[in-house]
Amino acid sequence: DTEVTQTPKHLVMGMTNKKSLKCEQHMGHRAMYWYKQKAKKPPELMFVYSYEKLSINESVPSRFSPECPNSSLLNLHLHALQPEDSALYLCASSQGLGYEQYFGPGTRLTVT
Amino acid sequence: ELKVEQNPLFLSMQEGKNYTIYCNYSTTSDRLYWYRQDPGKSLESLFVLLSNGAVKQEGRLMASLDTKARLSTLHITAAVHDLSATYFCAVENTGGFKTIFGAGTRLFVKA
Repeated sequence: DTEVTQTPKHLVMGMTNKKSLKCEQHMGHRAMYWYKQKAKKPPELMFVYSYEKLSINESVPSRFSPECPNSSLLNLHLHALQPEDSALYLCASSQGLGYEQYFGPGTRLTVT
Repeated sequence: ELKVEQNPLFLSMQEGKNYTIYCNYSTTSDRLYWYRQDPGKSLESLFVLLSNGAVKQEGRLMASLDTKARLSTLHITAAVHDLSATYFCAVENTGGFKTIFGAGTRLFVKA
């Protein structure tokens, strides 16, 4: 299995909702990443996990809460989001930190 | 702070023509990546360049890296419509394991 999967593909949520994005890989990778991408902009790194421990948090607002329950799974918990948080959220994994990253298909999030 | 600059940001070219996209970065780096992104889709890895003078080719695309000049190029040979997409370079900062993306080059190849 050489792919990264993400669910859901699309998500519409209100500003008072709580939802979660899920990312999974079965390549034995030990580093996983969350990126946010606005339309016509490059991806921006949000979080990096290495061996299930948070390595990098790019000063992301606390309404985004990452979780890495095991080496194959990465979640992003969302609460009280703002309309400006609407974007494509991309998950990636790599063999380890500093190795080539493989990207999932993304979750397109709309906050109303 | 690592900064990555890509140019041009938009490129419209005729089929059959050649062109080069440039990627400059501001500090030393362990590696450089080129990605392709189709509208509404995720990122597809094209090339990973690890050392000075590295050159990689896949089909009509060729990427090179000059670490002394802090410059990578993505050369397109005899463009075809299927190459229309946004191309990003991304640079990993030394020891920090952060990947910083360039702004992207939106390429449109006219049939």
